[in-house]
Amino acid sequence: EVQLVESGGGLVQPGGSLRLSCAASGFTVSSNYMSWVRQAPGKGLEWVSVIYSGGSTYYADSVKGRFTISRDNSKNTLYLQMNSLRAEDTAVYYCARYSGYDNGWYYYYYMDVWGKGTTVTVSS
Amino acid sequence: QSVLTQPPSVSAAPGQKVTISCSGSSSNIGNNYVSWYQQLPGTAPKLLIYDNNKRPSGIPDRFSGSKSGTSATLGITGLQTGDEADYYCGTWDSSLSVNWVFGGGTKLTVL
Repeated sequence: EVQLVESGGGLVQPGGSLRLSCAASGFTVSSNYMSWVRQAPGKGLEWVSVIYSGGSTYYADSVKGRFTISRDNSKNTLYLQMNSLRAEDTAVYYCARYSGYDNGWYYYYYMDVWGKGTTVTVSS
Repeated sequence: QSVLTQPPSVSAAPGQKVTISCSGSSSNIGNNYVSWYQQLPGTAPKLLIYDNNKRPSGIPDRFSGSKSGTSATLGITGLQTGDEADYYCGTWDSSLSVNWVFGGGTKLTVL
């Protein structure tokens, strides 16, 4: 069964760090584009970061320079290292798999597999 | 402020039809495929429509999608109380600053 399971959330003080994990089963993380998406309490979905199958990484402006997406191919696991956390980073964090393709000009991707999410609370 | 614009809420009676719009620009909807996600209360988002108008296995044909220019629309017919959820459009964005964008979400109420 294709599945994603997040872990690592919790309560952290402002300025602190946290590392989220997303364990995949049923497919290979390194063969897919993978993303982190977050949802603040009562708010909509916000794209956070992506890692391409080739290893390139991209970030939303709101987390650039503070968050790092990575993967461990041997563990088939995606990570999100979050540093310098702020109150506004409080959210449920979901990992998601992209399916689809692109031709370098047009992008035909969609997020077809989602985890259940892990909650991050930044508060003193 | 989301890059893609959706109405905050829509409502209709059971059995009726509803549409949810999603408006963007040439850097996102205009040149890339749109997908739609359903988020039932307290759960993770679930893929509902991909490639503008395709349904994943297990999604009933009461759900449909379309795209024209820089806008997309989700349609739901034969509304059921179990359809009450938040619905989000999403697509790739070809601008330099972001890779993926979501709409702000639309809360569907089945009266």
